[in-house]
Parts: sequence; structure tokens; C-alpha cells
Amino acid sequence: KAGVTQTPRYLIKTRGQQVTLSCSPISGHRSVSWYQQTPGQGLQFLFEYFSETQRNKGNFPGRFSGRQFSNSRSEMNVSTLELGDSALYLCASSLDGSYNEQFFGPGTRLTVL
Amino acid sequence: KQEVTQIPAALSVPEGENLVLNCSFTDSAIYNLQWFRQDPGKGLTSLLLIQSSQREQTSGRLNASLDKSSGRSTLYIAASQPGDSATYLCAVGSTSNFGNEKLTFGTGTRLTIIP
Repeated sequence: KAGVTQTPRYLIKTRGQQVTLSCSPISGHRSVSWYQQTPGQGLQFLFEYFSETQRNKGNFPGRFSGRQFSNSRSEMNVSTLELGDSALYLCASSLDGSYNEQFFGPGTRLTVL
Repeated sequence: KQEVTQIPAALSVPEGENLVLNCSFTDSAIYNLQWFRQDPGKGLTSLLLIQSSQREQTSGRLNASLDKSSGRSTLYIAASQPGDSATYLCAVGSTSNFGNEKLTFGTGTRLTIIP
């Protein structure tokens, strides 16, 4: 069974640009969650999607958005990038949300210059 | 608000020793707790998931225990190996003030096994 995949693995952008990251969950999983990981703040929850609907949201500004498609694949978008957005972005899939075991992808390393 | 603490932040032990990693949480109204390992620059690998009704889970050389009433979990690693070197994170599943399911992560313990 294939694991969670994330593309691209690495990204370099400049301030003010926007970026789209993609996550393909494990087959059969309907919940996808996104996290931002930085050395200073650790792992912070961005949002969770389930059956194409945002079910849960963390405390991030509106520049961070996401969506989920009918095949459960998810994308997150960050607009007007800031230097502080440099981080490892991780997605996790599960059958039905955080009541179930979470499986993480390898992450996308975003660097904002 | 759920807060999860992992102490110590870093730990070095000689190969072959048994060791215990600690995780504490402030709100005992949890529905599960999961342990992960993370290698540098990589994603998280799930190690063990303990449901709130369980006291422990075992997988190979790993054993995780949960004491909800005291707000603590431990991850026991037997006969440590250099390949166990990684950062270990615990995550607590609970319901937020808004009624949503929420995973709260600790900041991790960076483990180094010395050959």
C-alpha cells in the first residue's frame, strides 16, 4: 500500500509570491491534515479536510488556504509569501480524522527568500 | 487548552541500554495518544497509537504506556540501537473548545544512541 506522497519536495520562492503544495493520501483515507513545522514553533496545525470540506482550522492567517478533491487529494496554498513562512510543510492522512492513526508524508521544504 | 510537554529535549545513551521517553499533557480528557519518530528533514513515522481506553501498546522493542489520570505517557525502548537515533514526538488527540477533534504535538525529544 503506497504511503502519503507530497509534491514538490523542495521549493524556493521569493517574498510576495504564492505557492501551492500537493498531498496524496493513502488510498481509502478520507481525512487530510496539514501542519507547519519550524525549529522555533514545532508542529503547528493548519487545517483538516474531510470529504472535500474543511472540518477544522488552526490559528493561521487567511493567506493560508486549502482544498480537497473528490479523490481525497489535497492542496494547500500560501499567498503573499513572507520570510517567516519558510518551514517544512507536512500533511497527514487518516481514515476519518484524529480519532484514527495518522500517517505523515515526507513533507515539502519551503524556503522564502 | 491542551499543552503537551516532552522532557528532556535531548538525550544521549550508549548502545544497548534501555531507555524511557516522557510525554505529559495538561487536559486528561483525551481520546488517544500517538508516538512518532522523525529523522532529520523527514516526515513523521507512526510508532504506536494508544486509545484512551488502553493502558499500553507494544511493537517490537517499543512499549508505550498511558496514564490518563496523571496526564502522562512513556515510550520505552529496549536494547537501543544506533538506528533508533531520531526525534521522538508524542501527539495527544482531544476535543478543542470549539468541539473539533484536535491533535496537539509535543516539541519532541532528540535521541542519540552512541555506538
